[in-house]
Amino acid sequence: DAGVIQSPRHEVTEMGQEVTLRCKPISGHNSLFWYRQTMMRGLELLIYFNNNVPIDDSGMPEDRFSAKMPNASFSTLKIQPSEPRDSAVYFCASRGSANEKLFFGSGTQLSVL
Amino acid sequence: GESVGLHLPTLSVQEGDNSIINCAYSNSASDYFIWYKQESGKGPQFIIDIRSNMDKRQGQRVTVLLNKTVKHLSLQIAATQPGDSAVYFCAENSGGSNYKLTFGKGTLLTVNP
Repeated sequence: DAGVIQSPRHEVTEMGQEVTLRCKPISGHNSLFWYRQTMMRGLELLIYFNNNVPIDDSGMPEDRFSAKMPNASFSTLKIQPSEPRDSAVYFCASRGSANEKLFFGSGTQLSVL
Repeated sequence: GESVGLHLPTLSVQEGDNSIINCAYSNSASDYFIWYKQESGKGPQFIIDIRSNMDKRQGQRVTVLLNKTVKHLSLQIAATQPGDSAVYFCAENSGGSNYKLTFGKGTLLTVNP
């Protein structure tokens, strides 16, 4: 099992540019989560999908952030326009059922200059 | 020790010693707790979990203790090895949610050879 796969591993962009982060969950998992990690705020849940449907997006910072899950094997998190305060590590995680543990990807290190 | 919302504490131990990492949680309605290990440049990795109907659970070289009276969780690592050096996070299912995990800020464990 390849685990949760995220791309790119690193992204450096300029303020105002669009950023798209990608995630492939573990095959068979029906729940997908996007988290953001910073030193100041730790790990924060941004959005949660169940069976490709967004269930809870209350953690999405603002309208500049959007997430999609067009099918069970792919999700994107988009920031448009990006700002320096968006710099963080963004993790995708997936889970097979409500009682199963969460598996995290290796993250995308985003730097907005 | 660690408490959700505080800055990252550190713990330094000698190889072969036992390590104890502490966590205070805030929501008395939480009934599921997890410990994650995060190595540099990687995503959090599941270590062990415990439900609120238990007060102790053992894994391979790790033990989690739960004290619901004082809302305290601890992770014990026996015979700590250099490969155990990482940041350790406790997480709770927020108020009994079946999907939303609240993560602590983490404890940095450094194992000296």
